[in-house]
Amino acid sequence: AQTVTQSQPEMSVQEAETVTLSCTYDTSESDYYLFWYKQPPSRQMILVIRQEAYKQQNATENRFSVNFQKAAKSFSLKISDSQLGDAAMYFCAYRSGRKHDMRFGAGTRLTVKP
Amino acid sequence: DSGVTQTPKHLITATGQRVTLRCSPRSGDLSVYWYQQSLDQGLQFLIQYYNGEERAKGNILERFSAQQFPDLHSELNLSSLELGDSALYFCASSPLPGGNYGYTFGSGTRLTVV
Repeated sequence: AQTVTQSQPEMSVQEAETVTLSCTYDTSESDYYLFWYKQPPSRQMILVIRQEAYKQQNATENRFSVNFQKAAKSFSLKISDSQLGDAAMYFCAYRSGRKHDMRFGAGTRLTVKP
Repeated sequence: DSGVTQTPKHLITATGQRVTLRCSPRSGDLSVYWYQQSLDQGLQFLIQYYNGEERAKGNILERFSAQQFPDLHSELNLSSLELGDSALYFCASSPLPGGNYGYTFGSGTRLTVV
């Protein structure tokens, strides 16, 4: 079974600085998709960024980018120029190309200090 | 507004009771997913429907059931409720089964069992 591990329960960053959140996953499949979701205090789940396993190029969305290391099964999220509004729980998620459910890690709580 | 509508937003009920949570997917989305998020934990996949048919089942208890109707809205039925069922229940939708482009989440239903 596929598992997603986020080894950092909590992280903090100074406003305007850069922070990297870690995620590793375990799979024997070659076709899959990886996601980062943000859950602010409102509890709404918001898609931040996605990555297809077959693409070598790392995905980027404005201040958010990923470092996808397929061989190492690592999928970290880098947030540049951190803003107060980035404070939230961040969940890494995996979805198999064959199966229909998305599996989530336990989450990392990010605090942004002014 | 994500386009996925969940009602009610809050629900308080007693142990042993039965409740129904409702979800209307984003316009054009045919797949609906249900997730359970217990306090400060990750999301656990419960069940998925695509165009009215069950497509995948996770760790859903036998006391829980769901269905998707011809108009594509979905209902999650929770019966013989226990204190441990208190959680945030999310519905998500995607255009295709499997959600290659990520899921769009509703704002959740917070269930409190007393």
